[in-house]
Amino acid sequence: SQQGEEDPQALSIQEGENATMNCSYKTSINNLQWYRQNSGRGLVHLILIRSNEREKHSGRLRVTLDTSKKSSSLLITASRAADTASYFCATGIQGAQKLVFGQGTRLTINP
Amino acid sequence: GAGVSQSPRYKVTKRGQDVALRCDPISGHVSLYWYRQALGQGPEFLTYFNYEAQQDKSGLPNDRFSAERPEGSISTLTIQRTEQRDSAMYRCASSPQATENEQFFGPGTRLTVL
Repeated sequence: SQQGEEDPQALSIQEGENATMNCSYKTSINNLQWYRQNSGRGLVHLILIRSNEREKHSGRLRVTLDTSKKSSSLLITASRAADTASYFCATGIQGAQKLVFGQGTRLTINP
Repeated sequence: GAGVSQSPRYKVTKRGQDVALRCDPISGHVSLYWYRQALGQGPEFLTYFNYEAQQDKSGLPNDRFSAERPEGSISTLTIQRTEQRDSAMYRCASSPQATENEQFFGPGTRLTVL
C-alpha cells in the first residue's frame, strides 16, 4: 500500500508560471524525497529533505516539510516545457530503508 | 559513469511461465531495491538487499516472487508461474550506503503476461 497522497493529481499551467505540488503522509519519517518521471522513462531523483529540515532549495526547486502536519510541498519556479512529467514524493520511513511512494502529480507545461 | 541497468527492457511471456529479471546496480553501491510500478501509480516496494543479504522482503506479493543477490552486486528477481496480474513495470534502484539517502533507479523492465 502507498502512504503518500499527492495533490493535485494533475496540474496544467503556462510556461513561465510557478507549479506547486503537495504531498501528505501518515507515519513518522527519516526523510522525504521528490522524484520526476518523464513519460515512459525512469525515475530521476530531484531533492531529499531530512525530517529535521524545514526547507531546501535546488536550482528552480523549493521543497518544504512540515512534520507536524505530515506534509511537504514542491515548488517549481519559472516552469519550462521540459518540466512536463509526473512528480512523486517518497518517504523514508523510520526504522526502514525502503521508500514509500505517493501516486504522483502529472504536471503539464503549456508553451 | 554507468547508471543502474536492467535487462531485459521488455518481456512478454505466457501465463504459467517463469521469468527472471536482472538488475546491475551502480558499481560499489551497497544497497539494491526492487519496486513494481503499475500504470499511473507510484512505485511499490518489493524487497531490498544490503550487500548480499536480503533485509526486507515484506513487499513481495506471494511466494511466487523471489529475489537474490548472491555476490552483493547483480540481482535477479524471479517470478514463477506468472499470472496476468503480474504485468507491470519492475524497477530496480541502488544506493551507495545502507542508510537513508537517495536511490538511483534503472530504466525498468516492462513485463507483460498474456
